[in-house]
Amino acid sequence: QQQVKQSPQSLIVQKGGISIINCAYENTAFDYFPWYQQFPGKGPALLIAIRPDVSEKKEGRFTISFNKSAKQFSLHIMDSQPGDSATYFCAASKGSSNTGKLIFGQGTTLQVKP
Amino acid sequence: DAGVTQSPTHLIKTRGQQVTLRCSPKSGHDTVSWYQQALGQGPQFIFQYYEEEERQRGNFPDRFSGHQFPNYSSELNVNALLLGDSALYLCASRFLHGYTFGSGTRLTVV
Repeated sequence: QQQVKQSPQSLIVQKGGISIINCAYENTAFDYFPWYQQFPGKGPALLIAIRPDVSEKKEGRFTISFNKSAKQFSLHIMDSQPGDSATYFCAASKGSSNTGKLIFGQGTTLQVKP
Repeated sequence: DAGVTQSPTHLIKTRGQQVTLRCSPKSGHDTVSWYQQALGQGPQFIFQYYEEEERQRGNFPDRFSGHQFPNYSSELNVNALLLGDSALYLCASRFLHGYTFGSGTRLTVV
């Protein structure tokens, strides 16, 4: 019940296209779902996050779609750019206050071709 | 405002040795978590410190231990190193929700 499954493992998109990465979870106690972007040699950086009381959240070119009944959420990157080429991780956590470990997906390596 | 600072950036150790990794959290953050990221994998939660106490622990053996100091900085200690401990060790600090990660320490065990 602690797993977060992410797909696809790798993704190649043309510049200007839409990149879509999907995640599924089992534990209905999760209440926070972030997406992280990681470049080689760097730590993960928070991109965008959502809570289960909303179905969609948009920040610039990045959108999270959340389906509570299906226990799935996805990241859409609109107008993908070569600078978006990185590894993306979905994650989930539960609990408020200062608890709540992050459970990460396995990662998706995105390559945006110019 | 400095982000999360980790030291050293790279480290090579011999199997059986002990290692200490250090983390200074982002200013204003009082909770520190440690993660292990094997090559090509997502980070795995090791443990979390708040108010100088270990609050949560992941599925890691007792060879992994930690400490948090009054200034919120933290150390990760790994004893009796195994080849499988080779990984990127990430520190993340947190205030409410929203984790900020450091760039990590790349540990290689030979």
